[in-house]
Amino acid sequence: NAGVTQTPKFQVLKTGQSMTLQCAQDMNHEYMSWYRQDPGMGLRLIHYSVGAGITDQGEVPNGYNVSRSTTEDFPLRLLSAAPSQTSVYFCASSYSGGDGETQYFGPGTRLLVL
Amino acid sequence: AQKITQTQPGMFVQEKEAVTLDCTYDTSDQSYGLFWYKQPSSGEMIFLIYQGSYDEQNATEGRYSLNFQKARKSANLVISASQLGDSAMYFCAMRDIASGYSTLTFGKGTMLLVSP
Repeated sequence: NAGVTQTPKFQVLKTGQSMTLQCAQDMNHEYMSWYRQDPGMGLRLIHYSVGAGITDQGEVPNGYNVSRSTTEDFPLRLLSAAPSQTSVYFCASSYSGGDGETQYFGPGTRLLVL
Repeated sequence: AQKITQTQPGMFVQEKEAVTLDCTYDTSDQSYGLFWYKQPSSGEMIFLIYQGSYDEQNATEGRYSLNFQKARKSANLVISASQLGDSAMYFCAMRDIASGYSTLTFGKGTMLLVSP
C-alpha cells in the first residue's frame, strides 16, 4: 500500500492564481480531511469528508473548495491564492469504527503564495 | 467546543533522561480519544500513542507512555531514555466530536530538543 499520497510536494503561486492540491489513499478509508499547518498554530482543519459525495467545512475553510467523487481521492482547490494561504498542507485519512483509529497523514505540500 | 492546550513551546532534555510533555484538554464528551503525534524536521506526521477515555490503564508503546489523569483532564506524554532522534515537534490531539470523530483537534505543539 502506498498509504496517503499528496502532490505536489512544493508549489509557488502568485496572488490570484488557482491550483489544486491532490490527495489519494489506497486503504479504502471512509474519512478524509485536509489540514493546514502554520508556525505556532498546530494543525487546523480546512475541510473533511466522511464518504464519497459528502464534505463539510472545518475551522478554516475560507478560500478553499473540496469535492469527493471517489473513496480514493480528495482534492483541495485554492480558488484565488492569497499570501495568507502560504502554509504546509496535510491530507489525512482514517476509517470509522472501533477505538484508537488513527489518522494516516500524507507527506504534506509546502505552498508559497507571492 | 473541544480544545487542546500544550503549554510548553519548547523543552530541552539530555540524552538518556526521561521527559514529560504536557497536554490538557477540554471536552463535554464522555467518550473521547487522545493521540500524540511526532513531527521530525523532515515534516511527516508520525503516530505515537493513543488513549481512550474509558481505558483503565495508561497507554504504553515502547519508550512512550501516556500519563492519563481523567479528573485533571490531562494526557501527558512521557518519553523514557531520550534519544537524539527524539528531537522533534510533538502534538497532542483529540478526536473531534463536531466531525463525527472523523478528524482531530490539535494542540499547538511542543518542540523537544535532545542534547548529547
